[in-house]
Amino acid sequence: DQQVKQNSPSLSVQEGRISILNCDYTNSMFDYFLWYKKYPAEGPTFLISISSIKDKNEDGRFTVFLNKSAKHLSLHIVPSQPGDSAVYFCAASAKNYGGSQGNLIFGKGTKLSVKP
Amino acid sequence: DGGITQSPKYLFRKEGQNVTLSCEQNLNHDAMYWYRQDPGQGLRLIYYSQIVNDFQKGDIAEGYSVSREKKESFPLTVTSAQKNPTAFYLCASSYLTGQPQHFGDGTRLSIL
Repeated sequence: DQQVKQNSPSLSVQEGRISILNCDYTNSMFDYFLWYKKYPAEGPTFLISISSIKDKNEDGRFTVFLNKSAKHLSLHIVPSQPGDSAVYFCAASAKNYGGSQGNLIFGKGTKLSVKP
Repeated sequence: DGGITQSPKYLFRKEGQNVTLSCEQNLNHDAMYWYRQDPGQGLRLIYYSQIVNDFQKGDIAEGYSVSREKKESFPLTVTSAQKNPTAFYLCASSYLTGQPQHFGDGTRLSIL
């Protein structure tokens, strides 16, 4: 059973507009959430993270929002640029529990296409 | 520059052969991981190691083996027992489990 779900396999956005990527999780023990960006034939690169004690974290054009009651997080990219076109993975862990529970659980990814 | 190096980038294996994928990091990270990615799928954890000389099975460890004799190195062997080895394999490391992981550029394994 998937503990981290990204229900949209793909998303297409116009350059300059906002991109919103969504992620849902089922395990209430998750307390740390991350977003990764992946280009073809490369490894994922870490983008931004958020701890469950916060509901928002911002880094430049990237903002992650966490709604714990809904077990939902989202990544906002504003403004979107063609170079943002990639697959975005959401990941979660029960960081404060350590050991194997601290391992990351990844969603299946959402492919973002930003059109000029 | 610090980072994670995976080699080779492409690897071909004959049926019935074992093959070893290399992963080296110079980030001084204690934890290392191996993931498998299949088309349209997320990253699935094969094995992880939190410290030298110790490693644990992940979600899909059957048909794989690892060793962690040095902090910098975490090689993955895909054995002949792995019935569907064709995939993109990613190695990662972090200071501790649960911390953001840094990934290598992956090895694509194909069966001849």
